[in-house]
Amino acid sequence: GQQVMQIPQYQHVQEGEDFTTYCNSSTTLSNIQWYKQRPGGHPVFLIQLVKSGEVKKQKRLTFQFGEAKKNSSLHITATQTTDVGTYFCAGDSSASKIIFGSGTRLSIRP
Amino acid sequence: DAGVTQSPTHLIKTRGQHVTLRCSPISGHKSVSWYQQVLGQGPQFIFQYYEKEERGRGNFPDRFSARQFPNYSSELNVNALLLGDSALYLCASSLTGHDGYTFGSGTRLTVV
Repeated sequence: GQQVMQIPQYQHVQEGEDFTTYCNSSTTLSNIQWYKQRPGGHPVFLIQLVKSGEVKKQKRLTFQFGEAKKNSSLHITATQTTDVGTYFCAGDSSASKIIFGSGTRLSIRP
Repeated sequence: DAGVTQSPTHLIKTRGQHVTLRCSPISGHKSVSWYQQVLGQGPQFIFQYYEKEERGRGNFPDRFSARQFPNYSSELNVNALLLGDSALYLCASSLTGHDGYTFGSGTRLTVV
C-alpha cells in the first residue's frame, strides 16, 4: 500500500537557524499537503502543492514538490520560537485516502 | 463560521465496550475523514466519506465503522474495544476530499 516517509524524525535548532524536513512517497501523488501540529493540538493545514516542480512560499516557509511528484520538502528560514511543533506531509494519490507521514518534530533553543 | 466540531472531547471506556464518536464538518464541506493518532506518530487514515458514501478505507479491522448523514455530519463507531484503541481520534472536513483538510480538536479515547 501507499507509504509516506518523512525525515528527520526530530530536529533541534538554535533560534535563527534554518530547518528542513523531507517527505517521500512510495507512489506518485496527485497532490501533497503540509500540516503543522503544536503540542497538545490538532493538525493545521499549511499548504497544498499540485504541480510537478511547484514551489510555494509563505513568509519564511518554502515548500517544494518534486518533478516526479513523489517527494516534497519544507524549509523554514531563520526559525522562531513560534515555529515549534510537528510538521507533517500528507500525500494524496487520488485513491481517496490522504496518507500522513510520521512527522518531523521541531524544537528550538531560544 | 464554526470550525469542525467533535464530541465528546474525552472518553474513558472499558475493554470490550462500544464507542460512538461524532463530527460536524464546516458548513459547505461535503467530505469527512477520520484519523487515529497515537502519541508521537502521524495520523493514521481510517475512513473517508463524500456525499454520504464511503470513498476510502484504511487498514483498520472491521470493528471500526462509520457513516455520514444527509447533513454531512459523521459518526465513527468502534466495537469490542481493545487497549490498543486508546488514541486521539481526529475528524477532518474538506470541500472535495482532495483539498486541504480542516481538523477538529479530536476525541481522546482511553480504553482501560
